Amino acid sequence: GQQLNQSPQSMFIQEGEDVSMNCTSSSIFNTWLWYKQDPGEGPVLLIALYKAGELTSNGRLTAQFGITRKDSFLNISASIPSDVGIYFCAGQISSGSARQLTFGSGTQLTVLP
Amino acid sequence: DTGVSQDPRHKITKRGQNVTFRCDPISEHNRLYWYRQTLGQGPEFLTYFQNEAQLEKSRLLSDRFSAERPKGSFSTLEIQRTEQGDSAMYLCASLGDRGFNTGELFFGEGSRLTVL
Repeated sequence: GQQLNQSPQSMFIQEGEDVSMNCTSSSIFNTWLWYKQDPGEGPVLLIALYKAGELTSNGRLTAQFGITRKDSFLNISASIPSDVGIYFCAGQISSGSARQLTFGSGTQLTVLP
Repeated sequence: DTGVSQDPRHKITKRGQNVTFRCDPISEHNRLYWYRQTLGQGPEFLTYFQNEAQLEKSRLLSDRFSAERPKGSFSTLEIQRTEQGDSAMYLCASLGDRGFNTGELFFGEGSRLTVL
């Protein structure tokens, strides 16, 4: 099946720094989604991208849908302590079946004071 | 709270016992999903319901697993004769018609299973 390669696996940054993480795939996706998961909780949707080349912001978060439709990145600017968590990318290969939402293995973000 | 709710949040059981998890989706959402998440990994699809019909099942869903959604509202996921490899977080997610083509799943907080 499809696989998403998400990097880096973990990041340690100072509060106030910007951070970037990305996902790549060997398959083309029609939708890219970025989720955040806090310990012991379910993933929460941050940003959804629907068109190749699309750049979307949500507060301090910015994500882009790669032109090749095989990659996406997420940037967080001016990190704060509550940004700590695991960030997952997810791709949907076709419309009409949300079961084809494939998740990356996550980026564990730690923000140091 | 009108989000997706799951019960119990944590379950510790001995190998060989049966366990059942319940999911109550967002009330207007007719589609419900079960995912499994192991430590250090992203969620993996298990099964999908549209209303009361179970439309898709993953190969991960062995014959010891059964999911139901009898009235098209809440759903249960039962694992029979649990094995240590079943230890994981079981996540439920739902979405409505508006989100169907976009994959914008709304997840519950998960039910963490530990099999001793």
